[in-house]
Amino acid sequence: QVQLQESGPGLVKASETLSLTCTVSGDSIVNNNYYWGWICQPPGKGLEWIGSIYYNEVTHYNPSLKSRLTISVDTSKSQFSLKLSSVTAADTAVYYCVRHYCNGGNCYADYWGQGTLVTVSS
Amino acid sequence: SYELTQPPSVSVSPGQTATITCSGDKLGDKYACWYQQKPGQSPVLVIYQDNKRPSGIPERFSGSNSGNTATLTISGTQAVDEADYYCQTWDSRTVVFGGGTKLTVL
Repeated sequence: QVQLQESGPGLVKASETLSLTCTVSGDSIVNNNYYWGWICQPPGKGLEWIGSIYYNEVTHYNPSLKSRLTISVDTSKSQFSLKLSSVTAADTAVYYCVRHYCNGGNCYADYWGQGTLVTVSS
Repeated sequence: SYELTQPPSVSVSPGQTATITCSGDKLGDKYACWYQQKPGQSPVLVIYQDNKRPSGIPERFSGSNSGNTATLTISGTQAVDEADYYCQTWDSRTVVFGGGTKLTVL
């Protein structure tokens, strides 16, 4: 059974960098069929894709966040990470890490972490 | 950027069929999937590749995708199906979500 677990600070000050890590178990992060991604959900709102990374460090980012975003992978630790710089209150959200199957335009998230709330304080 | 549009809310009586739509330009030329999210929980994939159900998803959930519209159908809707539902596709190397539909089982 694939499991993903987010970890990181639940409170970040405005203008600073939000950093989260996702630890993967039950599957190898080195897998040709899957990307590993981040999705956020502001309180009371819908889902927003942040970005995804392949085990060989190929990344795809949400264009609206690209200038502030870095996603990286550490295959030795079976982890991938998110860094979002210059955060504002608008970045307050539950952040989920996910496993994406992506092939030939067919892309879906079949496993999700439990989510972690990150609050940006002023 | 590509956009997916869903109705904000849909209501259905228990035992009836619920239909949730997701509209996007030539969406039928892409693959669509659907997630169910209950309050306080992570989303769960209920349909992928337009019309396939993951293991463990009840048969009453089905999907279709043609033209500009993908559709999630729940036959014989049960109270446990009350949730938010999100459609999603992949366009120009980005994941795109619809705004979500709140399904109320009255």
